[in-house]
Amino acid sequence: QSALTQPASVSGSPGQSITISCTGTSGDIGAYNFVSWYQQRPGKPPILMIYDVSNRPSGISNRFSGSKSGLTASLTVSGLQAEDEADYYCSSYTNTTTLVLFGGGTKLTVL
Amino acid sequence: EVQLVQSGAEVKKPGESLRISCKGSGYTFTSHWINWVRQMPGKGLEWMGRIDPTDSYTNYSPSFQGHVTISADRSTSTAYLQWSSLKASDTAMYYCARHHSTDMSYTSAVGYDHWGQGTLVTVSS
Repeated sequence: QSALTQPASVSGSPGQSITISCTGTSGDIGAYNFVSWYQQRPGKPPILMIYDVSNRPSGISNRFSGSKSGLTASLTVSGLQAEDEADYYCSSYTNTTTLVLFGGGTKLTVL
Repeated sequence: EVQLVQSGAEVKKPGESLRISCKGSGYTFTSHWINWVRQMPGKGLEWMGRIDPTDSYTNYSPSFQGHVTISADRSTSTAYLQWSSLKASDTAMYYCARHHSTDMSYTSAVGYDHWGQGTLVTVSS
């Protein structure tokens, strides 16, 4: 099964807001609220930023928010900071034997 | 403090077998699914499969089914990922990761709040 679709890269200046999209199908994002987002810096394991579409784990800044509309989930980062520069991955439950899909990843550059 | 500590880097030859480990601490090991995720050099994340440590029930991605085996020993709070015959294409970083919820239902599959530090597996002749 194909991965979820994310833009390869996004960029923004410090203080600005950016949104990363993640598009799936009616068998995954469109059907379930089991969407998560991860931040991964080079050489480090991923960090859970958002789970169940819009919930933030404890310790995650409220500058990170998640939403979903139809087949597309989104991660918004507001008040961009240099430390936000990283790769971001979305993930969704799917009702196929694949069970879990990841997006291809989006590289966020803070200009 | 919740921790998942993985075994160290491995260098193997094609055709060899391998088992890597992931030891959980700081929480009830049997209350969360443990997942394995592959990341090939310079590439994205791929879900391989998961295990319920209570009864060792497993699910595998079709992409990995039959090529790897996931197991767990709840007495030592350790999960394992093993190969019986490695290929060069298995060269990657492998992460174990804990599902965030104690809900052990089938749909509790996405959202991993704690990750191991990763085990780099290099397969080369």
